[in-house]
Amino acid sequence: GEDVEQSLFLSVREGDSSVINCTYTDSSSTYLYWYKQEPGAGLQLLTYIFSNMDMKQDQRLTVLLNKKDKHLSLRIADTQTGDSAIYFCAMGGYNKLIFGAGTRLAVHP
Amino acid sequence: NAGVTQTPKFQVLKTGQSMTLQCAQDMNHEYMSWYRQDPGMGLRLIHYSVGAGITDQGEVPNGYNVSRSTTEDFPLRLLSAAPSQTSVYFCASSYSWTPQGTDTQYFGPGTRLTVL
Repeated sequence: GEDVEQSLFLSVREGDSSVINCTYTDSSSTYLYWYKQEPGAGLQLLTYIFSNMDMKQDQRLTVLLNKKDKHLSLRIADTQTGDSAIYFCAMGGYNKLIFGAGTRLAVHP
Repeated sequence: NAGVTQTPKFQVLKTGQSMTLQCAQDMNHEYMSWYRQDPGMGLRLIHYSVGAGITDQGEVPNGYNVSRSTTEDFPLRLLSAAPSQTSVYFCASSYSWTPQGTDTQYFGPGTRLTVL
């Protein structure tokens, strides 16, 4: 079946760039997403990319998609302490999503 | 708009008890879903709905029932609670199935359920 894998933890210094990676097995998904979850809260859709795109930039966020390697990444420029959260990669339709296990991003001074 | 609301925020049940988790949205969204989140795992889809009167199973539907009698509400029923159903439950809604223009998907704040 479809599977989405992410590394579990990433630690970065404030002001540096963060890169969160995701690999997936299902190549038929039209959309791939990045969600953010802050402690005790629900998920917030950060950005998404259509499968016929290689890159999408949205302010401090850059999404890169390598369809050949089935690899998706999220780059956060100038990472701030407010970016500390769990980031989930997901694919599918909005209401039938397959999620990765999430990457916990810790930002330290 | 209140967005997506979920009640209760916390619940403790004994094995075998039944209960209903409530989810409501006031954005006139057709699409709604229930997910559960377990430690170290991503969210897994329980049931979803593409409109009033239409529901379907997700990845982990066993032990749960849903109905969608109105556009606004999508309750999740636990028929006979088991310790394996201890989890955080999230409801989500969206206007469309996939991103359309500025449309986005909204998640509720979650219900933390413990089954003893």
